Amino acid sequence: DSGVTQTPKHLITATGQRVTLRCSPRSGDLSVYWYQQSLDQGLQFLIQYYNGEERAKGNILERFSAQQFPDLHSELNLSSLELGDSALYFCASSSGQSREQYFGPGTRLTVT
Amino acid sequence: KNEVEQSPQNLTAQEGEFITINCSYSVGISALHWLQQHPGGGIVSLFMLSSGKKKHGRLIATINIQEKHSSLHITASHPRDSAVYICAVSASGTYKYIFGTGTRLKVLA
Repeated sequence: DSGVTQTPKHLITATGQRVTLRCSPRSGDLSVYWYQQSLDQGLQFLIQYYNGEERAKGNILERFSAQQFPDLHSELNLSSLELGDSALYFCASSSGQSREQYFGPGTRLTVT
Repeated sequence: KNEVEQSPQNLTAQEGEFITINCSYSVGISALHWLQQHPGGGIVSLFMLSSGKKKHGRLIATINIQEKHSSLHITASHPRDSAVYICAVSASGTYKYIFGTGTRLKVLA
């Protein structure tokens, strides 16, 4: 158990809908990372937050947004969902930049 | 050409064999990570390196910053080592993470 929790574990929704994925980092970790893993793209870095502030942005679509709250949990919002958004979404946390990351179990999103 | 390349893409070994997985990158980095992903999907961080060599049990990771190359070695491989091994780099200056496509390892008993 990495200490990082993600909810929900599975999510099935329809095209055009909006969903929110939640991540609670390990106790004391200030950095939260979001990653997408689809079958054809492999792991892709989406975005990183550090202590509530956006630190780095990767291949995150404009339809996606994220935030980190004062209690350090983070949410990833996906809107106007398309079939191609079906993927595993992982959250990871670390104590700081270029520190070891601890991954959550992932949320499997299926868009039908 | 991908900024992070791994080889081989697939690897089958007999139990007990010494295994090497390679990772080459073309960007400046602040750190390199080796990750393990089991068939169930969970990801575990094995190593984070910025220089030299690290060892944990039967796993050894090395990095050569000048040559922009890292290797992950598994000694005395075991069927439970069967997984996908992923190399990722933290690009210096941007904080972005770039992933290799992974090496699928199968160790036969």
